[in-house]
Amino acid sequence: DQQVKQNSPSLSVQEGRISILNCDYTNSMFDYFLWYKKYPAEGPTFLISISSIKDKNEDGRFTVFLNKSAKHLSLHIVPSQPGDSAVYFCAARIVNSGYALNFGKGTSLLVTP
Amino acid sequence: DVKVTQSSRYLVKRTGEKVFLECVQDMDHENMFWYRQDPGLGLRLIYFSYDVKMKEKGDIPEGYSVSREKKERFSLILESASTNQTSMYLCASSPSRQGRSNLYEQYFGPGTRLTVT
Repeated sequence: DQQVKQNSPSLSVQEGRISILNCDYTNSMFDYFLWYKKYPAEGPTFLISISSIKDKNEDGRFTVFLNKSAKHLSLHIVPSQPGDSAVYFCAARIVNSGYALNFGKGTSLLVTP
Repeated sequence: DVKVTQSSRYLVKRTGEKVFLECVQDMDHENMFWYRQDPGLGLRLIYFSYDVKMKEKGDIPEGYSVSREKKERFSLILESASTNQTSMYLCASSPSRQGRSNLYEQYFGPGTRLTVT
C-alpha cells in the first residue's frame, strides 16, 4: 500500500507564476522528507529536504512546507521557469529504519512560456 | 561530484534470458539501491545494500537477485527475464554519515531502459 501519495499526476503552470506540488503520507513514523526532480531519460536529482522537526525549508526558488498534523507536505517553486518542467517525486524515510526511502508516484510539471 | 554509472542505457533481452545490470559509484558510499520506474507507479524499491556482501529485500524483490562483492559495485540480476520486467531500472547510492550531502539523500544513476521481448 502506497504510504506516500502524490494525487495529482500532472500540473501545468505559466512561467513566472507559483507551482505548488503536493504530497500526502499515511505513516506517522516518517521523520525525513525529500523532493526529487526527474527529466526524461535521466536519473532523479535531489532538490530539497525537510526534517519532521521543522515546518519549512527554503532553498532559492524552492520551498518545502510540512504540516505534520495533516500529514501533508508541499513544494513551492517561485517563480516557475520552463526548465522546471519535469516529474517531481516526493520521498520519505521511516524513523530508525536505515536509509531506504518510500517514493510517491510523481507529479509531472509543465511550465509554459 | 558524486557519480553513479550504470552499465547500459538501453538493453533488449529475450524472455528467459539471464540479465545483469551493473551499477558503480565513486563516492565510497556505504548504501546502494535498485529501483524500477514504471508509468503511474513511481519508483519502487527492489533491493538495497548497506555493506559489502549484505542485501535486503525492498518492496518488489520477486524475480530479482543482487550481488555486492565490492563496496562501489551493486549488481541487479534478473534470473529469467519476463516481459513484465520491461521497465526503467535506476540505481542509487547514499552515505551512512552526513557529510557534504544531505542526510538520506540518494544519488541516482542515469537509468537502464530494459525491454524484454
